[in-house]
Amino acid sequence: QSALTQPPSASGSPGQSVTISCTGTSSDVGGYNYVSWYQQHPGKAPKLMIYEVTKRPSGVPDRFSGSKSGNTASLSVSGLQAEDEADYYCGSHSDIYPMVFGGGTRLTVL
Amino acid sequence: EVQLVESGGGLVQPGGSLRLSCEASLFTFSNFWMNWVRQAPGKGLEWVANIKQDGSVRNYVESAKGRFTISRDNAKSSLYLHLNSLRAEDTAVYYCARAWVPGTLEVWGQGTMVTVSS
Repeated sequence: QSALTQPPSASGSPGQSVTISCTGTSSDVGGYNYVSWYQQHPGKAPKLMIYEVTKRPSGVPDRFSGSKSGNTASLSVSGLQAEDEADYYCGSHSDIYPMVFGGGTRLTVL
Repeated sequence: EVQLVESGGGLVQPGGSLRLSCEASLFTFSNFWMNWVRQAPGKGLEWVANIKQDGSVRNYVESAKGRFTISRDNAKSSLYLHLNSLRAEDTAVYYCARAWVPGTLEVWGQGTMVTVSS
């Protein structure tokens, strides 16, 4: 059982927007502005997409954005493209461990 | 391009041991906390362990305490994970990853597969 809770699946049509949630507690997501998001295509290593809740690493399209309210963080993807189809994981610093992850959300582009 | 390359995975019997390695290139390895993360087949990511720049602080997930040991050799730009008393549930792809800020793994290796089976 993962420390952070994500919906198992999400979907949207090309060009649409989709939001994935990540719910934790005041000991992790709610207590720190150290939430990150990772994209993982099948058979590949995870790739950092968002860090410190809202920041995008160089090279990540601005179609990807992050936010947080209380104990829930969110990843939004606008203008969905076929290559966005992947698994997405949230991560957070926590009181107990340096890093905890969500269970992952499979994003399907219809 | 900044790179992390893992090696050392393989098939091992329950109760056995293995040493994973991760070689870093094109960045100053000694400046960063380093981590191991694993992913069981068809499952999500699980943080396993991390180590401070100088090796003075090491943290482990509960299931790894007493069985796994993380270490590093800054002169060789290399990270290690010693796996002992392996169990079937340790079967996973093991990734090494660089941490720049807390809660952020910004560079990942390609992973090395560990299979624990008789």
